[in-house]
Amino acid sequence: AQKITQTQPGMFVQEKEAVTLDCTYDTSDQSYGLFWYKQPSSGEMIFLIYQGSYDEQNATEGRYSLNFQKARKSANLVISASQLGDSAMYFCAMRETGNYGQNFVFGPGTRLSVLP
Amino acid sequence: GAGVSQSPSNKVTEKGKDVELRCDPISGHTALYWYRQSLGQGLEFLIYFQGNSAPDKSGLPSDRFSAERTGGSVSTLTIQRTQQEDSAVYLCASSHRQGLGKLFFGSGTQLSVL
Repeated sequence: AQKITQTQPGMFVQEKEAVTLDCTYDTSDQSYGLFWYKQPSSGEMIFLIYQGSYDEQNATEGRYSLNFQKARKSANLVISASQLGDSAMYFCAMRETGNYGQNFVFGPGTRLSVLP
Repeated sequence: GAGVSQSPSNKVTEKGKDVELRCDPISGHTALYWYRQSLGQGLEFLIYFQGNSAPDKSGLPSDRFSAERTGGSVSTLTIQRTQQEDSAVYLCASSHRQGLGKLFFGSGTQLSVL
């Protein structure tokens, strides 16, 4: 079964608008971490934001915020005031403690295109 | 170094040849991960090291793939008798036990098997 699901293979957003990228996860751990990474066409993986499973407040980092709904196992990324440079692949990831230690699992990604 | 370093950045090889990919993690990072990313796809987990031990080799696609880590630092991913389906970007990442434990990625090795 998929541990991380990103149901939007591709998304379009108008410049300066906000956009939400969906992520749902599956784990039986009580303690886990959720991450979003951005991968522009250059290929580098850029850390955006982190949410711990025990954090009561939604994480925010500049224009990025994470809409964490624990009961629904949802960790959507919200990008406000989109910029052309936001066009990239976005990956949701989960860190959980598996049988062998810290295990990081990535979703299939969402390709975001920001339109001028 | 300041970040995760991978070499070579590009490797072109002929089918059937062996290749070695190198990863130099951030100093002090005990955990090291290898992922494979095919064109336009997500990240496929290959192997995970904690120190020099590889407790999780479950992601290695076949026995042609192996990896080692020495001195709790540099790791080498070896692919024997390469096949065309091995063509992909191989990403290495490291993390520290403390803090968020987030992954710091290298810039990857683009492997092309002709």
